[in-house]
Amino acid sequence: GAVVSQHPSRVICKSGTSVKIECRSLDFQATTMFWYRQFPKQSLMLMATSNEGSKATYEQGVEKDKFLINHASLTLSTLTVTSAHPEDSSFYICSARPGSTPGASGGSSYNEQFFGPGTRLTVL
Amino acid sequence: RKEVEQDPGPFNVPEGATVAFNCTYSNSASQSFFWYRQDCRKEPKLLMSVYSSGNEDGRFTAQLNRASQYISLLIRDSKLSDSATYLCVAQAHIEKLVFGTGTRLLVSP
Repeated sequence: GAVVSQHPSRVICKSGTSVKIECRSLDFQATTMFWYRQFPKQSLMLMATSNEGSKATYEQGVEKDKFLINHASLTLSTLTVTSAHPEDSSFYICSARPGSTPGASGGSSYNEQFFGPGTRLTVL
Repeated sequence: RKEVEQDPGPFNVPEGATVAFNCTYSNSASQSFFWYRQDCRKEPKLLMSVYSSGNEDGRFTAQLNRASQYISLLIRDSKLSDSATYLCVAQAHIEKLVFGTGTRLLVSP
């Protein structure tokens, strides 16, 4: 099966500092990775889509200069929250989409995204 | 209006009960639909895809009505372990998943 890891799982930081979150696909190559944010009792909201070797595509309302995304390899994408503020406190979840479904025989499934365990960010 | 709408619940049901969740979507261009399960403070996990013909996976049955832009999930013989939040998801663009806010299910002994 496909495994996606995130690090750190939890981070507490002071307002104004920057925080980097890593997302790794452990047993497959992810041509595309996605970053979501989930506030309490709200839905997951897509922040940006990153493709290996190219610039990320940000959703409307997401500041690209504040949320820096780097997808330097087929197994790693990073999200850096710059100059974090208390309102950035949230649950950040990445997902990865392989070129073909890991473990599947005879071709890929629809294009399933495999989610990381999430990173809970608290900005004081 | 949210693109994917769900009743947030919670739905409180006893073990063994049958429970149904509904979801509506507003983007008529949506092509694929899914139900995900999310446990508290965890990542969402794919429960099942939803097909126009309806599909069943053990105790779970999903249905899609494209004309009404309506999706449902039926859980039979509820187990304690079914307690979670169930997320309805629509996909129009090949990559973008749009999540509903989820419906919380609590199964009690």
